Amino acid sequence: KAGVTQTPRYLIKTRGQQVTLSCSPISGHRSVSWYQQTPGQGLQFLFEYFSETQRNKGNFPGRFSGRQFSNSRSEMNVSTLELGDSALYLCASSEAYGANVLTFGAGSRLTVL
Amino acid sequence: GQNIDQPTEMTATEGAIVQINCTYQTSGFNGLFWYQQHAGEAPTFLSYNVLDGLEEKGRFSSFLSRSKGYSYLLLKELQMKDSASYLCAVREQYSSASKIIFGSGTRLSIRP
Repeated sequence: KAGVTQTPRYLIKTRGQQVTLSCSPISGHRSVSWYQQTPGQGLQFLFEYFSETQRNKGNFPGRFSGRQFSNSRSEMNVSTLELGDSALYLCASSEAYGANVLTFGAGSRLTVL
Repeated sequence: GQNIDQPTEMTATEGAIVQINCTYQTSGFNGLFWYQQHAGEAPTFLSYNVLDGLEEKGRFSSFLSRSKGYSYLLLKELQMKDSASYLCAVREQYSSASKIIFGSGTRLSIRP
């Protein structure tokens, strides 16, 4: 069974641009969570989607948004990029909302110049 | 709100035992997790505790005391491959919503 797939793995953007990251969960997993990981802050919860609905949201500005499609694939978007948005963005899937085990993808490393 | 504290770095010797502590404060506790993350890789699930006590899984054990807001991960017979960051995480539940919140992680270095 394929794991969680995130694309792209690496990307470089400049301030003010926007970026879209994609996450394909494990087959049969219906919940997708997104986290931002930086050396200083660790993993910070962004949001979780289940059945195409955002179920919970972390403390990030409105520039961070996401969505989930009917096949459970998810995307997150960051608009008007800032230098501080440089981070590893991790997606994790689980069988259902509130499930105990998260399986993480390898992440998308975003560098904002 | 929630707050999870764990040591930033620890060092231990191959073959020895190490205990990584985690304390948490949360308004709606519903389970504690430990994840392992090797440098440049994704976090992988190690253990889950929702009731007080010790859960053992091979060389790894995890303990939880809900009244004290305290957990530890115990690693026995340390191997060089155990050099990694260990992330303590708590599921916070309130009303019908829940989310898993992570601590900043403990970077464990194993020396020969």
